[in-house]
Amino acid sequence: AQRVTQPEKLLSVFKGAPVELKCNYSYSGSPELFWYVQYSRQRLQLLLRHISRESIKGFTADLNKGETSFHLKKPFAQEEDSAMYYCALSGGAAGNKLTFGGGTRVLVKP
Amino acid sequence: NAGVTQTPKFQVLKTGQSMTLQCAQDMNHNSMYWYRQDPGMGLRLIYYSASEGTTDKGEVPNGYNVSRLNKREFSLRLESAAPSQTSVYFCASRLLGVAEAFFGQGTRLTVV
Repeated sequence: AQRVTQPEKLLSVFKGAPVELKCNYSYSGSPELFWYVQYSRQRLQLLLRHISRESIKGFTADLNKGETSFHLKKPFAQEEDSAMYYCALSGGAAGNKLTFGGGTRVLVKP
Repeated sequence: NAGVTQTPKFQVLKTGQSMTLQCAQDMNHNSMYWYRQDPGMGLRLIYYSASEGTTDKGEVPNGYNVSRLNKREFSLRLESAAPSQTSVYFCASRLLGVAEAFFGQGTRLTVV
């Protein structure tokens, strides 16, 4: 079975402060991991994926297979980062099964 | 380019009524998904279709059925709606198993 856990339901930080969203996963094979974001009144959209090893909007995420984690980080949060963030895992046959965590709401205060 | 289109956007049902949520994508994607989004529960996978002609259960399939009508369309049916099925439903599609998923705008369903 594959499972994604996001332990924090809400993170509230001040503008300019660092923010880290935790994601832990359970999967017996080699997972493909993603972070998706949902801004207010917008569709859920991809933020970044571990295979790309890229930084998007200042966010980075590192896959730690030993700790089965894929935490999302940004050194200086901005007000426009306020949104709902979901960690997701592709598994199953050919990686077709896409499951999400419970989500973390980020609120960046001015 | 429409992407992923869901209909309807809003629906109110009485307990025991049936309905079908429609989803269509115009990106020639192979895989399609149905999720429900509930406060504090995140997105939970109901059913998915890895390719045309195949469907598989997700985490919460009870009370739902799906049909992959063709490559473009993937419908979700509630045969006998229950208040516990009050939720926001999202359809998604992607080209391959590990590619980016694209989401519809959601259907807000209330069962009274």
